[in-house]
Amino acid sequence: DVKVTQSSRYLVKRTGEKVFLECVQDMDHENMFWYRQDPGLGLRLIYFSYDVKMKEKGDIPEGYSVSREKKERFSLILESASTNQTSMYLCASSSTGQSFYEQYFGPGTRLTVT
Amino acid sequence: GENVEQHPSTLSVQEGDSAVIKCTYSDSASNYFPWYKQELGKRPQLIIDIRSNVGEKKDQRIAVTLNKTAKHFSLHITETQPEDSAVYFCAASKARNNQGGKLIFGQGTELSVKP
Repeated sequence: DVKVTQSSRYLVKRTGEKVFLECVQDMDHENMFWYRQDPGLGLRLIYFSYDVKMKEKGDIPEGYSVSREKKERFSLILESASTNQTSMYLCASSSTGQSFYEQYFGPGTRLTVT
Repeated sequence: GENVEQHPSTLSVQEGDSAVIKCTYSDSASNYFPWYKQELGKRPQLIIDIRSNVGEKKDQRIAVTLNKTAKHFSLHITETQPEDSAVYFCAASKARNNQGGKLIFGQGTELSVKP
C-alpha cells in the first residue's frame, strides 16, 4: 500500500523561527513535491525534486528551501517563518515507472505562524 | 507560466443529479490532465485522468472530456451521491521523459450533494 507520511499534522510556530517540515515515502519514488493549500487558491507548488540532492523551484519558492539527502525523505524549510506562511502544507511523491504521472499525497501539516 | 482556471468554485446538487466541473489551461504543450478528490480533512486522491491523445474517458459514474483545441477539460459525475461531496481539483502537466511532470492545479470546486 502506498504511503506518504508527514512529521506533524499540526504545528504552531512564532514569527522568525526556522521551521522544518518532513515528508517520508516508502514507495521508492524518485519524484517528490511540496505544495501549500489555501482556500480559493488550490494547491500551489513550492519545490520539487526528481532525484536525491536535486531540487527545482515551483511557482512560489520565495521564503522556502528544501533538502533531499535520501531518496525517501524530502524536507521543506521555512528559513524565517512569517504569518503569511500560515497554511496547509502537502507533500506528494510519484514514480518514474509506468504510472509516473500519479502523485500520492501525504496527510498534510497545518502550520500556524503567530 | 502554465495557468489552470477552474469553475465553479462551489456547486450544490440534489442527490441523483449530475455535476459538471470545468477547467481551462494555458499551455498548449500540456499532455496530462488528472482530477483529484479531497474529502474533508483528508488528502487529495486521484480519481480519474486523461492524456492528450484521448478525447474522453469514463469510469463508472465519472467521466472526463478533453478539448485540446479549446484547451479545456471537464469532469462529469452522474447519479451523484452524498459521498461524492468533497473538493475536486483539476490539474495539467507536461511530463518530461520519464520524470513525473509537475502538476499545475486549479483553484478547486467544493461539491455538495444534498440528500
